[in-house]
Amino acid sequence: DTGVSQDPRHKITKRGQNVTFRCDPISEHNRLYWYRQTLGQGPEFLTYFQNEAQLEKSRLLSNRFSAERPKGSFSTLEIQRTEQGDSAMYLCASSGLRKTGNTIYFGEGSWLTVV
Amino acid sequence: ELKVEQNPLFLSMQEGKNYTIYCNYSTTSDRLYWYRQDPGKSLESLFVLLSNGAVKQEGRLMASLDTKARLSTLHITAAVHDLSATYFCAVEQYAGTYKYIFGTGTRLKVLA
Repeated sequence: DTGVSQDPRHKITKRGQNVTFRCDPISEHNRLYWYRQTLGQGPEFLTYFQNEAQLEKSRLLSNRFSAERPKGSFSTLEIQRTEQGDSAMYLCASSGLRKTGNTIYFGEGSWLTVV
Repeated sequence: ELKVEQNPLFLSMQEGKNYTIYCNYSTTSDRLYWYRQDPGKSLESLFVLLSNGAVKQEGRLMASLDTKARLSTLHITAAVHDLSATYFCAVEQYAGTYKYIFGTGTRLKVLA
């Protein structure tokens, strides 16, 4: 257990529905990342927060995706009008403690299946 | 755009044998990370390599970094079945913000 928690762990949804994932990072970490991983591939960067500011978004992140980190604590990733191609594991990670350097610690992931 | 390549993509080896996984990246970076992922699970941090010539060892795994060659290696000594997993390298990129670009992974299977 890295201390990064994600919810829900699994979600099955019908195409066209909206889904939201939540991430609670390690409490002292100011940086938070969302990645997406499909079978047989490495994690792909989606977006990055430093405190509450969303500083970077990948070109992969279509306008159906939105992420927030109110108050610089937990974060949510919402996917609107889901498509089958959105099926993947969504990984949250955090970093930022001096003693751990820039190592990012991943949560257990949220599996999304769009049917 | 930073690209990270790993080889081999798949590796099947006998217990007791040695092997090396390679991670090449395309642009300058001084920091590289290795992660392990078990099927259906998240990524577990293995090594952090922070400078040219860095070498880290944990048990049967040893990682090294050559920033001039843009190459990192993960060496497995006397493999055991418990090492079966997928191994990813990730390169840190800083351009105002920190970003981590992952390789495609090396799926390792150690046969008894």
